[in-house]
Amino acid sequence: QKEVEQNSGPLSVPEGAIASLNCTYSDRGSQSFFWYRQYSGKSPELIMSIYSNGDKEDGRFTAQLNKASQYVSLLIRDSQPSDSATYLCAIDPGGSYIPTFGRGTSLIVHP
Amino acid sequence: NAGVTQTPKFQVLKTGQSMTLQCAQDMNHNSMYWYRQDPGMGLRLIYYSASEGTTDKGEVPNGYNVSRLNKREFSLRLESAAPSQTSVYFCASSPSPDGTGELFFGEGSRLTVL
Repeated sequence: QKEVEQNSGPLSVPEGAIASLNCTYSDRGSQSFFWYRQYSGKSPELIMSIYSNGDKEDGRFTAQLNKASQYVSLLIRDSQPSDSATYLCAIDPGGSYIPTFGRGTSLIVHP
Repeated sequence: NAGVTQTPKFQVLKTGQSMTLQCAQDMNHNSMYWYRQDPGMGLRLIYYSASEGTTDKGEVPNGYNVSRLNKREFSLRLESAAPSQTSVYFCASSPSPDGTGELFFGEGSRLTVL
């Protein structure tokens, strides 16, 4: 059973702070890593993907991947109340194109 | 700009009734998926289809059947609904094996089985 673990939260941060979301996985052969954002009552939408070790930045979002330690993280700089959502980590093991999702971390950004 | 369209968006069934959830995508994607989402359980894969004419079981297939009618459409059928199938169902599509593995989701179908 391929596992993807996330802290369910909620993670509460003040507006303007950096929110750090973490995800660990069990399958060392995993090749593709994704972060989806899901607002309450809505469907997930992709915000970041990362495929190689290191950092990948896109606006206020930075994804970090460490395959040796089997974790992937998402940093949100200058957090805004509109970032309040559940963030789902998804991992595609071995290029199967069938991602396994974590249970999600709830993020609350308070003014 | 429809993307992935699911119908119906809401449904209430009685135990033992059957129904079909419809999903269609207009992005010419190869792969399609059905997930269910329950509180605290994340997204769990029910069935997927890597291409037209092929379907495979996911993590939680029991009680469901699927049909990949053509490249656009992928339906999920509950033959005899049970209260344990009360959930939010998401259809998704992906250009895989082309593209980067990203999934595009429909708006979801909220099913209650009494």
